[in-house]
Amino acid sequence: DSGVTQTPKHLITATGQRVTLRCSPRSGDLSVYWYQQSLDQGLQFLIHYYNGEERAKGNILERFSAQQFPDLHSELNLSSLELGDSALYFCASSVAGEVINIQYFGAGTRLSVL
Amino acid sequence: DAKTTQPPSMDCAEGRAANLPCNHSTISGNEYVYWYRQIHSQGPQYIIHGLKNNETNEMASLIITEDRKSSTLILPHATLRDTAVYYCIVRVRRSGNTPLVFGKGTRLSVIA
Repeated sequence: DSGVTQTPKHLITATGQRVTLRCSPRSGDLSVYWYQQSLDQGLQFLIHYYNGEERAKGNILERFSAQQFPDLHSELNLSSLELGDSALYFCASSVAGEVINIQYFGAGTRLSVL
Repeated sequence: DAKTTQPPSMDCAEGRAANLPCNHSTISGNEYVYWYRQIHSQGPQYIIHGLKNNETNEMASLIITEDRKSSTLILPHATLRDTAVYYCIVRVRRSGNTPLVFGKGTRLSVIA
């Protein structure tokens, strides 16, 4: 158990809908990262939050957004869903400010867009 | 961060050592080598990291060549549960936190 909790584990929805994925980082970790893993793209970084502030963006679509709340949990919002958004979404957390950056991953949310 | 090259797949007999190579010929002096693995659609799992000395922990050993252009992850007694995709990632030693860049990794199959 990595200590990172993601909910829900599975999500099935229709095209055009909006969903919210939730991540609770390990206790004390200030950084939260979101990654997407689809069959043809591998693991792709989406966005990074540190102590409530956005720090970096990767290949994140404009239809997607995220936030990190004062209690440090994070949510990834996916809207106007398309078939191609079907993927595994992972959240990871890490300790703040260390030069050795070990990230701990949650079990992921499997999103199926039908 | 330096680019890494790994074989796409490898097999290993159960109980034998699994030696997973990684080439990082453009690595610079302030870059660390990290290894993660992903067991069938689970979240990636940190294994080990190193700079220039060999490292060992409860999961694996990491051997880095003297010129640091390549490394080998060693699972000393592979079990069926070690079947996974193994990712070698090179990252600059830096303060603050930055995302990981995953390549395609090596798919290790441990065979009974």
